[in-house]
Amino acid sequence: QKEVEQNSGPLSVPEGAIASLNCTYSDRGSQSFFWYRQYSGKSPELIMFIYSNGDKEDGRFTAQLNKASQYVSLLIRDSQPSDSATYLCAVKGFGNEKLTFGTGTRLTIIP
Amino acid sequence: EAGVAQSPRYKIIEKRQSVAFWCNPISGHATLYWYQQILGQGPKLLIQFQNNGVVDDSQLPKDRFSAERLKGVDSTLKIQPAKLEDSAVYLCASSYLGGHEQYFGPGTRLTVT
Repeated sequence: QKEVEQNSGPLSVPEGAIASLNCTYSDRGSQSFFWYRQYSGKSPELIMFIYSNGDKEDGRFTAQLNKASQYVSLLIRDSQPSDSATYLCAVKGFGNEKLTFGTGTRLTIIP
Repeated sequence: EAGVAQSPRYKIIEKRQSVAFWCNPISGHATLYWYQQILGQGPKLLIQFQNNGVVDDSQLPKDRFSAERLKGVDSTLKIQPAKLEDSAVYLCASSYLGGHEQYFGPGTRLTVT
């Protein structure tokens, strides 16, 4: 049974600072890694995915993957109040294997 | 492009009653997913269809839950009989065959009393 662990928070970050969200996973065979954002009462939406070790940047968001440590993180630069949401980490194995989600980290950006 | 449609948006039923949810995926998306999201938890996959075939239903409580995807487009998820612990948001998502991104519908919030 795959497990994906996240600190549930809440994580409070001042506006303009860097928010750092972390995720660990149990299955070394996991191949792809996803970060979803979920606003309260809404459905999840994909922010980024990453396959290879290292960093992947998209605008204010950077995903970092370390397969040896089974660790994936999401950095949000210049945090805005609109970034306040729950961030879900999800991992996937080969082919049609299902996404396994963590419980999410609730992030609050303080103006 | 229209998004994933789900109905109803909200449903309140008593335990032991039955309920059905409907999902219409994005046009052209071969893969359809049903997730259960309990408050404070991440989504849990219940069943995954590829066209009208089941890819994964390992976490579907088959004694009370059933799902079908006729003609490889719309899908229905049924619970019969419902239990209190079935109170959750039921999310439908779809993706292109082999696609990375799953697009989620607005969800159906089920309350079992």
